[in-house]
Formats: sequence, C-alpha cells, structure tokens
Amino acid sequence: GESVGLHLPTLSVQEGDNSIINCAYSNSASDYFIWYKQESGKGPQFIIDIRSNMDKRQGQRVTVLLNKTVKHLSLQIAATQPGDSAVYFCAERTGTSYGKLTFGQGTILTVHP
Amino acid sequence: SQTIHQWPATLVQPVGSPLSLECTVEGTSNPNLYWYRQAAGRGLQLLFYSVGIGQISSEVPQNLSASRPQDRQFILSSKKLLLSDSGFYLCAWSVWDSQGFFGPGTRLTVL
Repeated sequence: GESVGLHLPTLSVQEGDNSIINCAYSNSASDYFIWYKQESGKGPQFIIDIRSNMDKRQGQRVTVLLNKTVKHLSLQIAATQPGDSAVYFCAERTGTSYGKLTFGQGTILTVHP
Repeated sequence: SQTIHQWPATLVQPVGSPLSLECTVEGTSNPNLYWYRQAAGRGLQLLFYSVGIGQISSEVPQNLSASRPQDRQFILSSKKLLLSDSGFYLCAWSVWDSQGFFGPGTRLTVL
C-alpha cells in the first residue's frame, strides 16, 4: 500500500526493558496474523503467529495480542536485548484471497545497552 | 524441510539492461509465491503473487514482470531497468495453513 514509501516508525528502548510494537491491520476478514523480524540485509524471519480465534499467544520472551474489535495487533518482547534490534513487520492473511499475506509498514526497534 | 533459494545475492546493472531474478522452493508443493521489493529503510511492497503455475497477479503497475514456469520456480524480469528499480528483492512462499517463508533476498543496484 501507500505506506511502503514512508520512513518506518522507530522505537528505542534500554536493554532489559519490555518492548511493545503495534500494528493496525486493514481487513476484518483476515484470519491469521504473523510477526516477522528483519535484520539488516536479510529476509524477514518468523517470530510468532496467531489465528483469529485467539486473542493472545505466548512464545519465548514474546507475546502477541490480537484485538479484533479495533483491528489491532501487538508484539510484546520481554527483557529486550541488543540482539532484538531489527525491523519488525506484522502480516495478515485473508481467507478469501488464496492465503495471500499483506504486510504492515514495519517498526524499527533499537535496543541500547 | 522447506528451503527457499534466491540468486544472485547482489546485482549491479546499467539503466536499460534486462533483468532476471530467480527463486526456487524445495520441500513443499503448490505454494503461493510472492515477489516483494524493499527500498532502504522502508516497508515491504508486494509486486507479484502466484497461486499456481502460469497464474500471476500484479499488485502495482511497473516496469517488471513475473513468471512461474514450474510449481516451485518464480522469476522476476524486466526488459529495460530503470533507476527506480533499485532495491532489495525478496521472494517468499506460503501455503494455506502456514506462515510465509522468505528467501535471503537480492540486492539490485541500477546505475
């Protein structure tokens, strides 16, 4: 969409703090959501996913929250480490479009030691 | 296990030259395949996606084209590159009930 041409929003945190990265998705028919982490010069890597029949899912140090009422997705990273510094993207899949993934604009997370 | 390959990893091409980037997937059948472009410090722009052999959907009007000659092969092409085609090109695949998997990307510089 149009947001891909804009500079990405940024979030700066201190090592050890918790980080919260937010994402607004566009399609109320989306049934599956994914968070990706992209380090400089590399392709995005899967972090965690959640289906629309859930509102919370936890992984190792990460939690994804889904609020379908306001079409909002968040990624919480506990005890953020310098290695968590990267760009984070959310993606949604809409069941009516052959499983096509649509990405949000991304957020740059910088963790200061 | 599933693997996705892209080549070349980096490419420097003059304006007006042709382009061919290749992506191949191993370990899955009948995947959805995607080409994304990413400018420095920007988000992912979906260029093309394909749900099967010979089926290509273009998301944005542009100087590029895509083809899927085999189930697990996706090719991005251009007849004449523009300066604005520079960027980081990512191939990805997904199936109905899974996350999307990304390749390592190709860094294209058009001079």
